[in-house]
Amino acid sequence: GAVVSQHPSRVICKSGTSVKIECRSLDFQATTMFWYRQFPKQSLMLMATSNEGSKATYEQGVEKDKFLINHASLTLSTLTVTSAHPEDSSFYICSARPPGGDTQYFGPGTRLTVL
Amino acid sequence: LAKTTQPISMDSYEGQEVNITCSHNNIATNDYITWYQQFPSQGPRFIIQGYKTKVTNEVASLFIPADRKSSTLSLPRVSLSDTAVYYCLVGDNGYGQNFVFGPGTRLSVLP
Repeated sequence: GAVVSQHPSRVICKSGTSVKIECRSLDFQATTMFWYRQFPKQSLMLMATSNEGSKATYEQGVEKDKFLINHASLTLSTLTVTSAHPEDSSFYICSARPPGGDTQYFGPGTRLTVL
Repeated sequence: LAKTTQPISMDSYEGQEVNITCSHNNIATNDYITWYQQFPSQGPRFIIQGYKTKVTNEVASLFIPADRKSSTLSLPRVSLSDTAVYYCLVGDNGYGQNFVFGPGTRLSVLP
């Protein structure tokens, strides 16, 4: 149980293009989903918290207009990196939390490379 | 925000018990303590969660003293496949983004 998937697992794009990453909770409903970014040899950095049906809450220093988050259903949240640049290259990981639960379950991550 | 401190790295040998301690001096009353395991290029995997005293599951034990200012993850009889980064996460009480991932502990299990 508590499986979270991400798609795509890996994406390479040109600078200036937009990339959408999907996060799905497969066997449970998630009122809250989280998006993280992780650079090589570093810890996870929370980017934003996404609640179903409402606007995402972004962490300080994360540009909301660049990292668009949509949580339209209880099983799907999307992160769109707009006008991507090489410095946006990173490992993006989502997590989902069941209603009333205290545990986050993580997706496998998406490796984004911007050329 | 409850900040955590862990050893940056640890080495162990196959078959040994490994204990990783996490300090969280400003843990809040509603905060839980959760440990995750992460392999390279993968998302973190839930290991165990606790609030106080001791919790045990099929893969690990979690010891939390009465003051809850620290916690210890215990991995019995580690194998080479346990080589990974282990994160202690405090907070996540169901009310929002009240938590921060620390730097994690890089465990290397040697043959």
